[in-house]
Amino acid sequence: GIQVEQSPPDLILQEGANSTLRCNFSDSVNNLQWFHQNPWGQLINLFYIPSGTKQNGRLSATTVATERYSLLYISSSQTTDSGVYFCAVERYNQGGKLIFGQGTELSVKP
Amino acid sequence: NAGVTQTPKFQVLKTGQSMTLQCAQDMNHEYMSWYRQDPGMGLRLIHYSVGAGITDQGEVPNGYNVSRSTTEDFPLRLLSAAPSQTSVYFCASSPGRSDTQYFGPGTRLTVL
Repeated sequence: GIQVEQSPPDLILQEGANSTLRCNFSDSVNNLQWFHQNPWGQLINLFYIPSGTKQNGRLSATTVATERYSLLYISSSQTTDSGVYFCAVERYNQGGKLIFGQGTELSVKP
Repeated sequence: NAGVTQTPKFQVLKTGQSMTLQCAQDMNHEYMSWYRQDPGMGLRLIHYSVGAGITDQGEVPNGYNVSRSTTEDFPLRLLSAAPSQTSVYFCASSPGRSDTQYFGPGTRLTVL
């Protein structure tokens, strides 16, 4: 099956710093999403981004489908950004089957 | 809209007991799915449904049953609970197969 690898596994930042999270996948996809799981366990959808670039406030994401990777940028990080960030992909012809990476655990210190 | 709701929030079972985890959504989404999350791992798909009356298996379906009699509800049944099923269970829904997925708050299940 398709492999989804996220890096780094852990990241500690000072408030105000910028960061880049990476997601590599091993096969062509027609769906890629980024999620944030907050410290209370709630999963929030950040971006639906099978290709191209999107921005939402301090967060932006870029997916280069031909090279099989996606990047999530967090600028001017805040303590509320702490949690685990997951990338999830869906292969072509496997509609509905999201495969998750193992996540990047981010801790933002005040 | 309440979005995706799950009950119960917490549950403790003994090995061999059965139970049903409830999931409901009020967004008229066709697609619904169940995932489990184990420590240090991402979510893994258990079962999913592309509409009322249609279900299919995900990555880890063994030990779980589902049915979809209405668009709104997608219950997950454990027929004979095992300690290996101790996990956090998330339900999700989306308008279609390859759309943004919206997650419920999760059910934390412990099997002793």
